[in-house]
Amino acid sequence: AAGVIQSPRHLIKEKRETATLKCYPIPRHDTVYWYQQGPGQDPQFLISFYEKMQSDKGSIPDRFSAQQFSDYHSELNMSSLELGDSALYFCASSLGLAGGKNIQYFGAGTRLSVL
Amino acid sequence: SQQGEEDPQALSIQEGENATMNCSYKTSINNLQWYRQNSGRGLVHLILIRSNEREKHSGRLRVTLDTSKKSSSLLITASRAADTASYFCAMLGGGNKLTFGTGTQLKVEL
Repeated sequence: AAGVIQSPRHLIKEKRETATLKCYPIPRHDTVYWYQQGPGQDPQFLISFYEKMQSDKGSIPDRFSAQQFSDYHSELNMSSLELGDSALYFCASSLGLAGGKNIQYFGAGTRLSVL
Repeated sequence: SQQGEEDPQALSIQEGENATMNCSYKTSINNLQWYRQNSGRGLVHLILIRSNEREKHSGRLRVTLDTSKKSSSLLITASRAADTASYFCAMLGGGNKLTFGTGTQLKVEL
C-alpha cells in the first residue's frame, strides 16, 4: 500500500539559507500534518492542513511557512535557517480531520542538518 | 501543556519476556495512540484506543486506558529482538494535532 512520501530524505544547509521540504500524502488523504523532532526529543506538532486550508497551528516559528496544494501535497518552507532547526521533520496524513478513530500515518521523515 | 510522560524512560529485557510501558497525560483526550520508532526512522502507528474504551488488543500488543487516572499502558508480550525501538504514546485532544509523550526506549536482548 502507498505510504506518505517525503522528500528529500536528507538535507544539509548552511545557516541563514532556506529549505523546502515536500510531503505527498497517502492517496485520498486530505489532511496533512507537520512535526519536528529534535535529537533525543519527542515529535512536536508544527502545523496542519485540511482540504488545502490551515486547520491547526503549533509551535511553528515565524520563519517557517507551509501550504497544501490542489493535489493535496504539502510543502514546508524554512527560511533564515538556524543551527537549532537541525531535526527530523515528519509529515503525516489522514483521511479527514483526526479524531475518533482517524489515524495519522507518518512518512519516513526528512533529516535536516544546519551547519 | 498536554504532553504525556512515559515511564520508564528506558527498558532492557530478555527476548521472550513481556515489556510494559506507561504513559500519563494532563488533560482530556479524544483518543490515545501508540507509535514505534526505530532509531532515527519514521513513526509507525501501533494501536489506537478511544477515550470510551478501556482495553484493546492487537496481536502481541495490549493497551489499557484509565481516563480517571489519565494514564495508559502498552504491554508487549513475548518480546522479540525486532521489538527494540522507542515507543511513544500520543494524545489527540482538541483540534487535530497529536501531542507525544517523552518516549520509552526498549531494548530486547537475545
